[in-house]
Amino acid sequence: ETGVTQTPRHLVMGMTNKKSLKCEQHLGHNAMYWYKQSAKKPLELMFVYNFKEQTENNSVPSRFSPECPNSSHLFLHLHTLQPEDSALYLCASSQDFGDYSNQPQHFGDGTRLSIL
Amino acid sequence: ELKVEQNPLFLSMQEGKNYTIYCNYSTTSDRLYWYRQDPGKSLESLFVLLSNGAVKQEGRLMASLDTKARLSTLHITAAVHDLSATYFCAVDTLGEETSGSRLTFGEGTQLTVNP
Repeated sequence: ETGVTQTPRHLVMGMTNKKSLKCEQHLGHNAMYWYKQSAKKPLELMFVYNFKEQTENNSVPSRFSPECPNSSHLFLHLHTLQPEDSALYLCASSQDFGDYSNQPQHFGDGTRLSIL
Repeated sequence: ELKVEQNPLFLSMQEGKNYTIYCNYSTTSDRLYWYRQDPGKSLESLFVLLSNGAVKQEGRLMASLDTKARLSTLHITAAVHDLSATYFCAVDTLGEETSGSRLTFGEGTQLTVNP
């Protein structure tokens, strides 16, 4: 399998549930990202991991908890979410050299999350 | 705060026609990306523009970058139905305190090409 793979593709959960989104990249990249895509809004960067270390948390509420056990895997743990958290969550990866990148980020197909 | 504005946000055009999508941004950057997203699908990279005056072409799409004007354009020539999708521009800036690039996306332009 190549590219960036996200599971599950769709997730429906109640506000009191706990669930996790998974992302795996097979491109040998060293940086991984979580984005939120809501209707009628631009993609919002949530978290950045570089060599497994979190390098950015873009003021994301603590009900979203990322985990990056290695450079190929990224998780987003969810708990006590709100209805406004319903969105498409996209994972991306890239090769980051600590400077501007000459290569685009590669995106997964996303997880469509619905909060009841 | 960096702002990236695309216009138009919605574009309906006839097959065979030409049109241009504009992407304006508010801070200094000489790296800009164009992506395409089909409904229910991931973002697909179209163009990487790395310097002032850069022009890239692929099929019926041509992208350019003017860093002095902080403007990128995506020009569509003789549109076909298969080009119907949402097109995003994304501006690359370095993280303030951390290494590596950060992308700020425009809202996207939803293009519909009618037969």
